[in-house]
Amino acid sequence: GQSLEQPSEVTAVEGAIVQINCTYQTSGFYGLSWYQQHDGGAPTFLSYNALDGLEETGRFSSFLSRSDSYGYLLLQELQMKDSASYFCAVNTGTASKLTFGTGTRLQVTL
Amino acid sequence: EAQVTQNPRYLITVTGKKLTVTCSQNMNHEYMSWYRQDPGLGLRQIYYSMNVEVTDKGDVPEGYKVSRKEKRNFPLILESPSPNQTSLYFCASSSLQGGNEQFFGPGTRLTVL
Repeated sequence: GQSLEQPSEVTAVEGAIVQINCTYQTSGFYGLSWYQQHDGGAPTFLSYNALDGLEETGRFSSFLSRSDSYGYLLLQELQMKDSASYFCAVNTGTASKLTFGTGTRLQVTL
Repeated sequence: EAQVTQNPRYLITVTGKKLTVTCSQNMNHEYMSWYRQDPGLGLRQIYYSMNVEVTDKGDVPEGYKVSRKEKRNFPLILESPSPNQTSLYFCASSSLQGGNEQFFGPGTRLTVL
């Protein structure tokens, strides 16, 4: 079976750094993606890691360790608008075959 | 504007009454998928399609059907809806050349009474 684990909730203050971890056990692995979803909205793509290491996109970075079946999303200089749910997702086949984690709800406070 | 559209956005129906949720994308994407989202369970893939006439089951296909007769459209069919299919449904598309970014539609909130 497929399973992805991530914390259900994280709280951080504006301007801080927060790391959201994701561990996975899947029957296939082609890469790890991260999506953001605001309340009432659709998921939007943040990043994708196919190889070990860190990918940086502005204030957001994503890391992957294939040997540890582990990845994380790092959000820096947190802003109130970053309050949302964050999902990790594993590509287990083609680019279309995705298994999502249950999501981490990030609350950014003043 | 590049987008994925879904219709209807909201639907209340009764058990057993066949329904179809349409999904269309204007980005010429090869891949399309359907997900359902339930509280505490995240997004679960129902079906996906790699191109016209090529579809495969996701993690929760029971009770659903799909078809891909045209590249831009990927309707989701519930032949005999039941209350446990009450959920928020998302359609998504992605490109063979576009890395692994999936573009999601706005969602369809379905209630089956």
